[in-house]
Amino acid sequence: KAGVTQTPRYLIKTRGQQVTLSCSPISGHRSVSWYQQTPGQGLQFLFEYFSETQRNKGNFPGRFSGRQFSNSRSEMNVSTLELGDSALYLCASSFGGDEKLFFGSGTQLSVL
Amino acid sequence: GENVEQHPSTLSVQEGDSAVIKCTYSDSASNYFPWYKQELGKRPQLIIDIRSNVGEKKDQRIAVTLNKTAKHFSLHITETQPEDSAVYFCAASNEAAGNKLTFGGGTRVLVKP
Repeated sequence: KAGVTQTPRYLIKTRGQQVTLSCSPISGHRSVSWYQQTPGQGLQFLFEYFSETQRNKGNFPGRFSGRQFSNSRSEMNVSTLELGDSALYLCASSFGGDEKLFFGSGTQLSVL
Repeated sequence: GENVEQHPSTLSVQEGDSAVIKCTYSDSASNYFPWYKQELGKRPQLIIDIRSNVGEKKDQRIAVTLNKTAKHFSLHITETQPEDSAVYFCAASNEAAGNKLTFGGGTRVLVKP
């Protein structure tokens, strides 16, 4: 069974631009969560989608948004990028009713 | 909201010794406590988890204990090996909050041969 797949692996953007990250969950998993990982703040929860609906949201500004498609694939969008948005963005999937999360390898975003 | 504190931030042990990492949580409603291992440049991997209706769980050289009254849980690694070197994260969640994990700050473990 294939794991969680995130694309792209690396991204370099400049301030003010926007970016879209993609996540394909493990087959059969209906929940997709997104986390931001930085050396200073650690792992922080962004949001969770289940059956195309946002089920949970963390404490991030509205510039961070996401969505989930009918095939459970998810995208995350960050608009008006700031230098502080530079981070590893991790996607994790789970079956839904079980909290066991399986992470992807992440997208390393650098904002210049 | 939930707050998870993790100690120590770094831990150096001799190969074959035991390693213990401790976490405390603030929300008494939290009922699920996973531990993740993240090697350099790789994804976090679930190594063991425990639910609030269980006090201890073991998987080979790894064990986790939970004290609900004190709101703390610990990871124990016995007979450490160089491949145990990694950053370990504890986390907590409330089933009612879905899959929202609150992570501790991480512990960098170095196993010296």
